[in-house]
Amino acid sequence: DAKTTQPPSMDCAEGRAANLPCNHSTISGNEYVYWYRQIHSQGPQYIIHGLKNNETNEMASLIITEDRKSSTLILPHATLRDTAVYYCIVRRENSGYALNFGKGTSLLVTP
Amino acid sequence: GAGVSQSPSNKVTEKGKDVELRCDPISGHTALYWYRQSLGQGLEFLIYFQGNSAPDKSGLPSDRFSAERTGGSVSTLTIQRTQQEDSAVYLCASSLRWRQGIHEQFFGPGTRLTVL
Repeated sequence: DAKTTQPPSMDCAEGRAANLPCNHSTISGNEYVYWYRQIHSQGPQYIIHGLKNNETNEMASLIITEDRKSSTLILPHATLRDTAVYYCIVRRENSGYALNFGKGTSLLVTP
Repeated sequence: GAGVSQSPSNKVTEKGKDVELRCDPISGHTALYWYRQSLGQGLEFLIYFQGNSAPDKSGLPSDRFSAERTGGSVSTLTIQRTQQEDSAVYLCASSLRWRQGIHEQFFGPGTRLTVL
């Protein structure tokens, strides 16, 4: 699976959009981009995934560049409860194996 | 419906003792995973079960670690002769058998293991 690179930490003011970047320059054509987050003292939580097109759900939006070498997770109106570690993971299609979480980005949402 | 549950939530043991950690996956989920997370570190994959197939044990750090899954449901992770470096949060996750492009894992709250 392709390796991902994320900034170790970011800050965001409450109510503003949080834009979390991820580089995956070695991604292959059949690899998906997944995002999970882990709130302190809890297990990780799935957020969103995508292949080529931008995706949106009730939690976030995922913007994938045309060359697919990078992506951005957008939390449109961050709240204090969005403070967490966010993991960008690249996985092959139809893979049933474990997720490689890496170090992620620690997002701090401030009042 | 009920999510993934794990027990105990906390376990304190003495070095050299054996421990068993339990995971109850979401009903109907055929895939089950164990991870561990040491203080300040990312998640480390341990073992993966998929249906009746042989488990993928490639992440187990030593032969003191073993896991089983009975009846395709409940799983037990056993650590024999515990060491202080085994102290970590042990997380269990389950998922439906994969379908195209989807791989959402649902995680339990974890068991915090402390080896004194």
